[in-house]
Amino acid sequence: GDSVTQMEGPVTLSEEAFLTINCTYTATGYPSLFWYVQYPGEGLQLLLKATKADDKGSNKGFEATYRKETTSFHLEKGSVQVSDSAVYFCALTRSDMRFGAGTRLTVKP
Amino acid sequence: EAGVTQFPSHSVIEKGQTVTLRCDPISGHDNLYWYRRVMGKEIKFLLHFVKESKQDESGMPNNRFLAERTGGTYSTLKVQPAELEDSGVYFCASSPYRTSGTYNEQFFGPGTRLTVL
Repeated sequence: GDSVTQMEGPVTLSEEAFLTINCTYTATGYPSLFWYVQYPGEGLQLLLKATKADDKGSNKGFEATYRKETTSFHLEKGSVQVSDSAVYFCALTRSDMRFGAGTRLTVKP
Repeated sequence: EAGVTQFPSHSVIEKGQTVTLRCDPISGHDNLYWYRRVMGKEIKFLLHFVKESKQDESGMPNNRFLAERTGGTYSTLKVQPAELEDSGVYFCASSPYRTSGTYNEQFFGPGTRLTVL
């Protein structure tokens, strides 16, 4: 069945460091891919999405490109801030959502 | 416009007791989903309502879990009797009506943290 695998955390970075959180997926056909973020005490929020191969989703300085050849959707940000500290979930959907295990990011000043 | 709300935010119960979680979706959203995250693992799909009908309940772990959505508005998820392994965070999400083959963004609530002792 469809599944998502993302890098295990926790990830701790200094402010302004470069961020990569790896995500790979297994699915038949062409799922839509997503990154969700959960800030402390809040619900899941959609961060970005891509619906077809080679699409790039971007939001708040974060980017991820739908790579069908490598079945990947890695999340990147060039310069993280303390306010980016959260748990990040990679997900895919064709009907219901399938999530990865989540990666906790802590950014220190 | 209010987002998806869930009640309670945190529940601590003893093994064998009953707990009922509530989700109020965004007004007008036909689709309502329940998910849970256990022990820091992946968020897993439990079930999907379209209005008051269960569209897909393939993720429900066993018959101790009962979900309802009377009138197609709010939904409840009852766990009876609760077991230790039911501890986790239960998320609810809602989305508007969708046509076949399309995707509508799901809007998530803050979750209910359930602790079974």
